[in-house]
Amino acid sequence: NAGVTQTPKFRILKIGQSMTLQCTQDMNHNYMYWYRQDPGMGLKLIYYSVGAGITDKGEVPNGYNVSRSTTEDFPLRLELAAPSQTSVYFCASKSGLKEDLNTEAFFGQGTRLTVV
Amino acid sequence: DAKTTQPPSMDCAEGRAANLPCNHSTISGNEYVYWYRQIHSQGPQYIIHGLKNNETNEMASLIITEDRKSSTLILPHATLRDTAVYYCIVRAAYSGAGSYQLTFGKGTKLSVIP
Repeated sequence: NAGVTQTPKFRILKIGQSMTLQCTQDMNHNYMYWYRQDPGMGLKLIYYSVGAGITDKGEVPNGYNVSRSTTEDFPLRLELAAPSQTSVYFCASKSGLKEDLNTEAFFGQGTRLTVV
Repeated sequence: DAKTTQPPSMDCAEGRAANLPCNHSTISGNEYVYWYRQIHSQGPQYIIHGLKNNETNEMASLIITEDRKSSTLILPHATLRDTAVYYCIVRAAYSGAGSYQLTFGKGTKLSVIP
């Protein structure tokens, strides 16, 4: 059971380039999330999804896009990379079943992105 | 979701109990208290959560005051591997809107000292 898997672990982008951060989970969780964490700060929610085909903005969505075509995958897209997007990105998933709504969220190991 | 306040840092001697406080004075009746931790460069890890009763699991104990305005996470015998940032989060049990958001603050950086 792999849990939440993020790829790549590290990436350097030039300003204006685009890339997709991949996130997949094998726990059949409905809820999935993307967070970013700047140095010395807490996590800020970028986007979340409560199921395939449904996504919604979090606290800091500007500059990002997401899609949720399957339950397992929740990719995060950066279209025009900017230095302000240099951060560590974490994907998380959680059961969306009503009886599980008070249970834990599982996090991936993060993607460290640098935009130069 | 209710806002939480935690001290920015704490030290604890190895083998002693680590007591991490959290204030959540605006907590509502249906909001749970969750604790996560983040070891350097890793993703956050769930520790424990509770509503109003004290809770214990293999990792830690959670003590919630009777008025629920504050709580304490207790690591009974801290080890060097417990050095991490600990986040206290308060959120509703079920929003009814299908959304679930974990709002992380800056947390408490716990340093376990040999």
